[in-house]
Amino acid sequence: AQSVTQPDIHITVSEGASLELRCNYSYGATPYLFWYVQSPGQGLQLLLKYFSGDTLVQGIKGFEAEFKRSQSSFNLRKPSVHWSDAAEYFCYNNNDMRFGAGTRLTVKP
Amino acid sequence: EAQVTQNPRYLITVTGKKLTVTCSQNMNHEYMSWYRQDPGLGLRQIYYSMNVEVTDKGDVPEGYKVSRKEKRNFPLILESPSPNQTSLYFCASSPGQGVGKLFFGSGTQLSVL
Repeated sequence: AQSVTQPDIHITVSEGASLELRCNYSYGATPYLFWYVQSPGQGLQLLLKYFSGDTLVQGIKGFEAEFKRSQSSFNLRKPSVHWSDAAEYFCYNNNDMRFGAGTRLTVKP
Repeated sequence: EAQVTQNPRYLITVTGKKLTVTCSQNMNHEYMSWYRQDPGLGLRQIYYSMNVEVTDKGDVPEGYKVSRKEKRNFPLILESPSPNQTSLYFCASSPGQGVGKLFFGSGTQLSVL
């Protein structure tokens, strides 16, 4: 059973616009959640993670994510997207070692 | 430099010809795992290992074998590859299961004709 759901397969945003990528989890009383990014032809790079404590976590490249237990969500955000952010993004639940299906981000000039 | 080394980077083979994809990590990690990545399906776990001589099935183990004779190495074996195993494969490691982030290899693009 899929414990991590990424509802958006593909998102297109304009450069400079804000971004939010959705992730919902369904496994683990205390989830240990990650966001990874995969640039074209590359492996996966860690953006940020949440285990406990402050529900708003900061990551690399200006990304942040907010853990909301009431909504079972861990959405990734960025206030202003750059063309280099075009990639595929994966949410991951460390409790059961499962990835979401991924969201491909396209950035329009 | 801490890294996970996967080889080969690209592999084209024919149905039924046994192959091995190697994976090695230099971080003394206990946990290692294999994933396959297919469009629209994300990364699905094939097998994982929590330590030497301890391996277990992931979500899509059929048609694959693994071994963990040494802590650093975790090869993926396809005894009789089939076209539906054409995929992008990633090896990953972490200090322990559910502990810390995953370190990924660069991937192996496998085509089975």
